Amino acid sequence: ILNVEQSPQSLHVQEGDSTNFTCSFPSSNFYALHWYRWETAKSPEALFVMTLNGDEKKKGRISATLNTKEGYSYLYIKGSQPEDSATYLCAFDTDKLIFGTGTRLQVFP
Amino acid sequence: KAGVTQTPRYLIKTRGQQVTLSCSPISGHRSVSWYQQTPGQGLQFLFEYFSETQRNKGNFPGRFSGRQFSNSRSEMNVSTLELGDSALYLCASSLDSRTDTQYFGPGTRLTVL
Repeated sequence: ILNVEQSPQSLHVQEGDSTNFTCSFPSSNFYALHWYRWETAKSPEALFVMTLNGDEKKKGRISATLNTKEGYSYLYIKGSQPEDSATYLCAFDTDKLIFGTGTRLQVFP
Repeated sequence: KAGVTQTPRYLIKTRGQQVTLSCSPISGHRSVSWYQQTPGQGLQFLFEYFSETQRNKGNFPGRFSGRQFSNSRSEMNVSTLELGDSALYLCASSLDSRTDTQYFGPGTRLTVL
């Protein structure tokens, strides 16, 4: 059974702090690594789809890197804002998405 | 472009009943996947349909089934409901290829009493 691990489970930061989370996955054949943001009472929102070793994606203050050889991806948020508060999920894409349990981020003003 | 829609949004059933959930994908998307979200297990893959064919299946009992229609709309059925089936059921649609982004609907919250 493939296991996707995310750490930390939860994170509380002050507005303006930068933060990062880790997604660890089995280093085997896969199509992509997906990152999603899931706010309470909303649908999961796609952030990035990462496919290549060394891939780096950026969207505003959020960026992600992928290391397929060692089986991890990092998500960075620069200058966290209260609206960044959400659960951040990664998903390992084989022929189906295998999700981690997420990192719950709370940003306090 | 309209997003993924799911109906109903909330449902209460009793043990032993069956339930059908519906998902309408984004126009042009041919792949629809279903997921179950429970507090203890996180998001778990149920199955994926593409062009009316089940393309992949997760580790769920046969009580969970689905289908896809020619317009890509999909339904999921759970028969003989158990208390443990109480969960948020999400569907997601994508264009086709494995690396395409999946766009999620708002989910159906099923409560089994």
